[in-house]
Amino acid sequence: AQSVTQLGSHVSVSEGALVLLRCNYSSSVPPYLFWYVQYPNQGLQLLLKYTSAATLVKGINGFEAEFKKSETSFHLTKPSAHMSDAAEYFCAVSRTAANAGGTSYGKLTFGQGTILTVHP
Amino acid sequence: DARVTQTPRDKVTEMGQEVTMRCQPILGHNTVFWYRQTMMQGLELLAYFRNRAPLDDSGMPKDRFSAEMPDATLATLKIQPSEPRDSAVYFCASSLSSGYNEQFFGPGTRLTVL
Repeated sequence: AQSVTQLGSHVSVSEGALVLLRCNYSSSVPPYLFWYVQYPNQGLQLLLKYTSAATLVKGINGFEAEFKKSETSFHLTKPSAHMSDAAEYFCAVSRTAANAGGTSYGKLTFGQGTILTVHP
Repeated sequence: DARVTQTPRDKVTEMGQEVTMRCQPILGHNTVFWYRQTMMQGLELLAYFRNRAPLDDSGMPKDRFSAEMPDATLATLKIQPSEPRDSAVYFCASSLSSGYNEQFFGPGTRLTVL
């Protein structure tokens, strides 16, 4: 079964500091991997996704993530944190599932989320 | 710009009452998802529709929850009867053609069952 583990439910950084949010996945096949962000009282918004092309993926708002197969990791980074980056971040893996009728489809499994706090 | 819309945004009800949540997916998206988010369980997939047909509703308590897509522009999630443990934020998301593509989330319905 495919799953994701986010290390650290809370991360706190100073404005201007490096942001590093950790995600490890387990997958028996090359996965599709995603990072989503959730601002307070809003739905999730896609930051970036890995679909087996370049291992370094650039997303919106200056975020990027690197797929490392040997480490089964997909950590999210940003060189310099802004106050507006304060939010909850979710790593997700897409796996192929099948329903009772045998129809296959892609299904996202989310990590538990990491709340990022940015201090002035 | 194209967005997933959900109504109501907030709902407070008493135990035993029926609750209906509505979602309008992005025009042209043929895949619709219902998720539930709680502090304890995180994000859970409740139901998954493709071309208005349910592909997976194994995450949904069958005795009280039902999900439908009466047409391509409307998805509904109904709870009858509601219970306090159903209190959560319910998200609808839509995507193009399959679950491997980006899912666009609505703003959610915050349900409180007293």
